[in-house]
Amino acid sequence: NAGVTQTPKFQVLKTGQSMTLQCAQDMNHNSMYWYRQDPGMGLRLIYYSASEGTTDKGEVPNGYNVSRLNKREFSLRLESAAPSQTSVYFCASSEDRLGNQPQHFGDGTRLSIL
Amino acid sequence: AQSVTQLGSHVSVSEGALVLLRCNYSSSVPPYLFWYVQYPNQGLQLLLKYTTGATLVKGINGFEAEFKKSETSFHLTKPSAHMSDAAEYFCAVTFYNQGGKLIFGQGTELSVKP
Repeated sequence: NAGVTQTPKFQVLKTGQSMTLQCAQDMNHNSMYWYRQDPGMGLRLIYYSASEGTTDKGEVPNGYNVSRLNKREFSLRLESAAPSQTSVYFCASSEDRLGNQPQHFGDGTRLSIL
Repeated sequence: AQSVTQLGSHVSVSEGALVLLRCNYSSSVPPYLFWYVQYPNQGLQLLLKYTTGATLVKGINGFEAEFKKSETSFHLTKPSAHMSDAAEYFCAVTFYNQGGKLIFGQGTELSVKP
């Protein structure tokens, strides 16, 4: 079972470059999420999507954009990367938006901005 | 404001000893509570969850947690630590009909000494 698949697993960028992090889930989940993980800060929500065609901001959306391409795919774009965006990025999905179902996480994308 | 606090960023126990990882939340509405585990270079895996009903919940790998409303706590325990339990543990909270957006604690790294 693939679950949640993130690509790439590692990436190094220069300041000002752009890139898109890809995420796909094969569990037919409605809700999808992007988090960033920084040492000592846990995970913080960047954006989420309750269903295909809808997206909304989380706690730390500045500098990011997202696209819910279809039910399976939810991408995160950095238009002009900054060193402060060096982090590990996790995509997650969940069966519903009510909150009582767990989220399933991908293995992460480790992103360094030089 | 809604928040989660994990007491102790690092906890060290001996193999066979009790594991106790502390989590307190701040909220004026009933929470849904989760514990996740993260092994090195991997995503987060669900250990257990509390949504409604029985306040003592059992999870995978012998872990359990008890929801105590009066103490606003959801501490994670395991009677006897195993070397394979060494990992980072995250407590998280969400609320009914909030899009499933998780608020994470900062994480507790568990070390197990032989």
